[in-house]
Amino acid sequence: QSVLTQPPSASGTPGQRVTISCSGSTSNIGSNAVDWYQQLPGTAPKLLMYSNNQRPSGVPDRFSGSKSGTSASLAISGLQSDDEADYYCALWDDSLFGWVFGGGTTLTVL
Amino acid sequence: QMQLKESGPGLVKPSETLSLTCTVSGASVSTSSNYWGWIRRPPGKGLEWIGTIYFTGSTYYKPSLKSRVTISADTSKNQFSLKLRSVTAADTAVYYCARRHQYSLGAVDYWGQGILVTVSS
Repeated sequence: QSVLTQPPSASGTPGQRVTISCSGSTSNIGSNAVDWYQQLPGTAPKLLMYSNNQRPSGVPDRFSGSKSGTSASLAISGLQSDDEADYYCALWDDSLFGWVFGGGTTLTVL
Repeated sequence: QMQLKESGPGLVKPSETLSLTCTVSGASVSTSSNYWGWIRRPPGKGLEWIGTIYFTGSTYYKPSLKSRVTISADTSKNQFSLKLRSVTAADTAVYYCARRHQYSLGAVDYWGQGILVTVSS
C-alpha cells in the first residue's frame, strides 16, 4: 500500500484527453516535487515529467503535469494507442534518501 | 550517453542471497551529486524502491527491507551492487538499477533495462 494513491486504471479513446491523479499528504506531495514515469509493456520506466510540470527533452507537449496542495496530476491530450502503458507518480524523499512511488495506473486506449 | 545494465542470476533459491550488479558506462559512479539506486517491480505490482548509494558511498535503504539489504559500489569497475538476503517468493521481481542526479532533473533520468529474478526451489 503506497502513501501516494493513484487510480489503478484509466481509459480513453484516441484523440481524447485523459487525466491521472496522484494523491498524498502534506508530508509527501505537499513538501516535495512530483515526477511521473511511463512504463510501456516489457520495458524499463521512462521519465515523463519532473518537478511537477517539467518535460524532459523528447517528451511531447501532449503530456502535462500539475500539482496543487497534496495532489498531483498527469494529463495526456490527443491520446494515442502508443500511450497504453503503466504510469507512476513518484517523489524523492529527503528523509529516506530514496524514492516513493504511487501504486501505478494502467492506461488503456479503447 | 550514460547506460546502466543489470547482471546476475535469474533464479535464486528461497532463503539464499540475491546478488545483482549494475555496470555503468558513460559516467562514473563516483561523480559528484549522483545517487545510484535499486528499484524493483514484482509481477502484477508497482514499482518499489529498495535502496540508494550516494557517490560518497553513503547508503540508504527502504526501512522494511533494511535488515536484508546491502548496497555497495566498486569504483574500479564502475559498478554498484545489490545483495538481498533470505529471499522468499515475494522477492520475485524485475530489478532495475537507476540514476538520479541531485542538481540536474532531480528524478531518475537513467534506468537499466531490468533483470527478472525468480525466487524458487
